[in-house]
Amino acid sequence: NAGVMQNPRHLVRRRGQEARLRCSPMKGHSHVYWYRQLPEEGLKFMVYLQKENIIDESGMPKERFSAEFPKEGPSILRIQQVVRGDSAAYFCASSLLAAHEQFFGPGTRLTVL
Amino acid sequence: KNEVEQSPQNLTAQEGEFITINCSYSVGISALHWLQQHPGGGIVSLFMLSSGKKKHGRLIATINIQEKHSSLHITASHPRDSAVYICAVEVAGANSKLTFGKGITLSVRP
Repeated sequence: NAGVMQNPRHLVRRRGQEARLRCSPMKGHSHVYWYRQLPEEGLKFMVYLQKENIIDESGMPKERFSAEFPKEGPSILRIQQVVRGDSAAYFCASSLLAAHEQFFGPGTRLTVL
Repeated sequence: KNEVEQSPQNLTAQEGEFITINCSYSVGISALHWLQQHPGGGIVSLFMLSSGKKKHGRLIATINIQEKHSSLHITASHPRDSAVYICAVEVAGANSKLTFGKGITLSVRP
């Protein structure tokens, strides 16, 4: 049973470009969480999704960031018009049910030049 | 003040030593998680607990709900235990999102 998959593992973008980060949860998991780890800082919650629904997006910046988890396919975190401050490691986690153990993906390391 | 505080910030131990890492939180929670992040960056879930004590191999996690405190113990420590150990809580009534401590960097010397 494959774990949580994230791709790409490393992503380089120039300022103003778009970044798309993908997360495939563990098989059978319908709950997905996105977290961001800025350099030298701790992890911070961004958004919690359940198939086709955004449950909690209280940690998402108001502009440029969006997330989706369609009925088919991976969850996508999209960052438009990236800035240098978006450089960070973005982790996705999935769980079978709400309030269950969360399994983390390997992360996508975004570098904005 | 952070909702989740961990101490000490950095910890160095000699191989074989018994290690304790502490976590205190200031909010009502529905569960507490201990995570391990290796130098390569990957995050592994070690424990999820809401009461009492759990054990897995050389790792033991305890939680005291009344005192809002949890400890992670490592017995017979080994250099491969060197990592960042992160405490995270699910705030009661706040969905399942995690609120994280800053993590403790553990180095175990051979």
